[in-house]
Amino acid sequence: SAVISQKPSRDICQRGTSLTIQCQVDSQVTMMFWYRQQPGQSLTLIATANQGSEATYESGFVIDKFPISRPNLTFSTLTVSNMSPEDSSIYLCSVMTGGGGYTFGSGTRLTVV
Amino acid sequence: AQSVTQPDIHITVSEGASLELRCNYSYGATPYLFWYVQSPGQGLQLLLKYFSGDTLVQGIKGFEAEFKRSQSSFNLRKPSVHWSDAAEYFCATSNPQGAQKLVFGQGTRLTINP
Repeated sequence: SAVISQKPSRDICQRGTSLTIQCQVDSQVTMMFWYRQQPGQSLTLIATANQGSEATYESGFVIDKFPISRPNLTFSTLTVSNMSPEDSSIYLCSVMTGGGGYTFGSGTRLTVV
Repeated sequence: AQSVTQPDIHITVSEGASLELRCNYSYGATPYLFWYVQSPGQGLQLLLKYFSGDTLVQGIKGFEAEFKRSQSSFNLRKPSVHWSDAAEYFCATSNPQGAQKLVFGQGTRLTINP
């Protein structure tokens, strides 16, 4: 199955700033998914990123706050913009693997102070 | 849209005891179903998945799950838990014909008593 390298693994950021999270996959994949896991909560899908097209955002998430890039079939970035303490979460990327399963990156633990 | 419910937020069992974690799904047809485990400070690891066929699915670490269409359930079981099984467990589903995004349940936190 695919292996995802996600970075940074953690960061502490000042409110009002932005953080860009990167995910690199060791094989070409059509769709990449970005999730948020707030403290003590489950995973919520932010958006689906297809190469060559605009990302599709879930209800409650907007492009201005979470811009996504997908320049090729192995790489994607998620930016958390104009951060506030409420953005403190774990952010994970995911891809579909052969056989219909999903692989996840190790996550980015973000703390906004 | 598909959804998943995990009725138990927190379960405590003794080491060596059997375990069953509940998962109910909502979908018009047979969805794809998954169980993931997240240990403290760790990423998500796939335990097992169900797409079709045999309704009893074997996974890693001695876990199994049974798909029951009549009950819209996909419960996770293990005959004898180990202290290392303490973690958060997530049931998830995706639509075989749709957007293919994975939708997660609320999670069940498993505590093991020595």
